[in-house]
Amino acid sequence: GAVVSQHPSWVICKSGTSVKIECRSLDFQATTMFWYRQFPKQSLMLMATSNEGSKATYEQGVEKDKFLINHASLTLSTLTVTSAHPEDSSFYICSARLGAEQYFGPGTRLTVT
Amino acid sequence: QKEVEQDPGPLSVPEGAIVSLNCTYSNSAFQYFMWYRQYSRKGPELLMYTYSSGNKEDGRFTAQVDKSSKYISLFIRDSQPSDSATYLCAMMDNTGKLIFGQGTTLQVKP
Repeated sequence: GAVVSQHPSWVICKSGTSVKIECRSLDFQATTMFWYRQFPKQSLMLMATSNEGSKATYEQGVEKDKFLINHASLTLSTLTVTSAHPEDSSFYICSARLGAEQYFGPGTRLTVT
Repeated sequence: QKEVEQDPGPLSVPEGAIVSLNCTYSNSAFQYFMWYRQYSRKGPELLMYTYSSGNKEDGRFTAQVDKSSKYISLFIRDSQPSDSATYLCAMMDNTGKLIFGQGTTLQVKP
């Protein structure tokens, strides 16, 4: 089956620093990847759509300068949380599109202290 | 009104029961309908994927889509404690984005 990995699975950083999260499609190429955020006991909130070779499309209310997305290859998209603050602490999940299906990574838990 | 409505539960059933999970939606343009299972602190796992109306069966799981009523269902037969998780319905819009329901928390008691 289609496998998507994320790295790291868990990261703790200090307020004001930047954190990069990687999303890889391991056994297929994905021209489109998505980044979501999920708060405890809530559903997934789409942050942005990442297209290989072009700029990401951000959802309304998501700061593009704070959440930098780079989709440099057909198997890798990265999300960088810049100048992180405690309110950015959350579970970040990526997905990769294969046809009409989306396969999700295992998620990255970010804690900003 | 949200585009996709799903009862968050929690839903508690005894082992072996048939579980029925449902979602309603308002956007008639949705064509692809998915069910994901998410365990705590993990990413969602694609369970079933259906295009347009009809039924689809995979092992103990059956997905139904009724586009005329804008209603989709997931049935789990012979439920097991390992089925305890949050079940998310999702629908794809014409841009390829998934619109998720709130998720239903299911607990199957041994």
